[in-house]
Amino acid sequence: GQSLEQPSEVTAVEGAIVQINCTYQTSGFYGLSWYQQHDGGAPTFLSYNALDGLEETGRFSSFLSRSDSYGYLLLQELQMKDSASYFCAVRAALGDKLIFGTGTRLQVFP
Amino acid sequence: GAGVSQSPRYKVTKRGQDVALRCDPISGHVSLYWYRQALGQGPEFLTYFNYEAQQDKSGLPNDRFSAERPEGSISTLTIQRTEQRDSAMYRCASSRGGDNYGYTFGSGTRLTVV
Repeated sequence: GQSLEQPSEVTAVEGAIVQINCTYQTSGFYGLSWYQQHDGGAPTFLSYNALDGLEETGRFSSFLSRSDSYGYLLLQELQMKDSASYFCAVRAALGDKLIFGTGTRLQVFP
Repeated sequence: GAGVSQSPRYKVTKRGQDVALRCDPISGHVSLYWYRQALGQGPEFLTYFNYEAQQDKSGLPNDRFSAERPEGSISTLTIQRTEQRDSAMYRCASSRGGDNYGYTFGSGTRLTVV
């Protein structure tokens, strides 16, 4: 079986830093992705990690530790528009489909 | 096109009727995926195609669900003899096919079975 665990909800204030964790148990592993989804919208791609370490894209960074089956999304200088649901997703094999987690709802307060 | 287009945007159907949901992926995208998403949950995998070949249909709930992509572009997800439990948001996504490319999702079809 395959499972991904994320916290269900995280709150923070504008300008703060927040980390959303994801642990996974899959039959194979070929990369961890993160997606953002605003209420009423479609999921949009944020980042992809195939190798251990930190990938930085502007205010967002994503980290992967394959030995720990763990990753996180780090959001810096939070803005109100960052309020959304964030999903981690794992690809179990080369070229295979993504399996999504249940999502973390981030609420940013002024 | 510029994005992934799904139609209809909303579909209300009576229990027992068949429905066909359409997905028009980004031009040139090799891979096309169908997901179902319940409110407050992550997308749940249904099936996917590379070009016209269906690579994996392990997520289709039962044999009332089928999908095709006959010319490697537009795809149709068909649900026969719909049941109330089929009510959900059905999302299509496409990608270039490489592992480091993300998915581009469409706006989805909200299916309601009454």
